[in-house]
Amino acid sequence: SAVISQKPSRDICQRGTSLTIQCQVDSQVTMMFWYRQQPGQSLTLIATANQGSEATYESGFVIDKFPISRPNLTFSTLTVSNMSPEDSSIYLCSVVNLVYEQYFGPGTRLTVT
Amino acid sequence: KQEVTQIPAALSVPEGENLVLNCSFTDSAIYNLQWFRQDPGKGLTSLLLIQSSQREQTSGRLNASLDKSSGRSTLYIAASQPGDSATYLCALKGGSEKLVFGKGTKLTVNP
Repeated sequence: SAVISQKPSRDICQRGTSLTIQCQVDSQVTMMFWYRQQPGQSLTLIATANQGSEATYESGFVIDKFPISRPNLTFSTLTVSNMSPEDSSIYLCSVVNLVYEQYFGPGTRLTVT
Repeated sequence: KQEVTQIPAALSVPEGENLVLNCSFTDSAIYNLQWFRQDPGKGLTSLLLIQSSQREQTSGRLNASLDKSSGRSTLYIAASQPGDSATYLCALKGGSEKLVFGKGTKLTVNP
């Protein structure tokens, strides 16, 4: 199994600011995923991040709002830009192994005031 | 479009009881099904993965089954403990890379 860490674990941010979330994996992986979990809801995929190419965004999510970097096979960042209270969520990064078992990081709990 | 439903949304049981959580899905063309546990405000912990060709998987007190023909999976928890209290999510992988999640069952095991 993969060990995934995320920074920060939580943050409280002002409306209109941006926050960058870091995701570090203990092994090299091809695909990394970013999910959002709004309060009381299940998980929604934001984008898939492959090393060396542009991230692929799901319907309803755009690069200007959620820019993603994937500089190498063990690291990725997700930025939540120009935040509003509706962005208050848990943000999770995730990877898959060779049999497509998915592993998740501990999450970043974001509150926008 | 794959839809995943988990019933009940919440379940409260006394300690020691055996219980079953249900997950149903609309498209049987799945690659695998995964059960997760989520503690409040935390990330997801993978419990069991069932490949499309498998019928069940077991880990300790947990047993997950898969019946593609009926579009159902169950997670059986034996001899429940207060530490089992959490939200349990099932998720399916189909032809694309992403998982489709149910909304989860919130389990409370009372001492």
